[in-house]
Amino acid sequence: AQKVTQAQTEISVVEKEDVTLDCVYETRDTTYYLFWYKQPPSGELVFLIRRNSFDEQNEISGRYSWNFQKSTSSFNFTITASQVVDSAVYFCALSEAKGGTSYGKLTFGQGTILTVHP
Amino acid sequence: KAGVTQTPRYLIKTRGQQVTLSCSPISGHRSVSWYQQTPGQGLQFLFEYFSETQRNKGNFPGRFSGRQFSNSRSEMNVSTLELGDSALYLCASSSQGATQYFGPGTRLLVL
Repeated sequence: AQKVTQAQTEISVVEKEDVTLDCVYETRDTTYYLFWYKQPPSGELVFLIRRNSFDEQNEISGRYSWNFQKSTSSFNFTITASQVVDSAVYFCALSEAKGGTSYGKLTFGQGTILTVHP
Repeated sequence: KAGVTQTPRYLIKTRGQQVTLSCSPISGHRSVSWYQQTPGQGLQFLFEYFSETQRNKGNFPGRFSGRQFSNSRSEMNVSTLELGDSALYLCASSSQGATQYFGPGTRLLVL
């Protein structure tokens, strides 16, 4: 069975600080996808990033970056120079990937509430 | 492209009633997945439909059912509502093998 753990329940930072959200996952699948989603107070889940299990290259996209380490089953997400608008609940998620496709079943972590103070 | 749309956005029902929620995916997306979000259990997968067939199912009782139409629109139905069914129900769509994009959700309150 798949499992995603986000140990940080809540994080509070001051604007312009960097913040890293931790995510640890468990799966027996050899190929899988990892995701980060953001949920603002409106409730809609907003897709941020996706990574597949066979590509451990870490990237930066604007103020977002991620660190995928298969050896430790971790997929951490960093926001650089945080802004008040980044305040939201952030979810890490995992899906199996058979034949290179990602079936539509996401397993989510419990979420991390990020509050960015001005 | 228009995003995923869900109707209704808010719903109040009483115990024992049934409810039907609707989801219209992004144009061209053939996969639709449904999730339930509650404060206690978090985000849980209900089921996924692809080309009118249920491809995957979560651990929910048979009171929760769904279907998908030929235009990829999907509905989920909950019969004999219980207080614990109060939740945010999220629908997501994807083209095969790609990222799931979520709708705004339907907030269901069962009294």
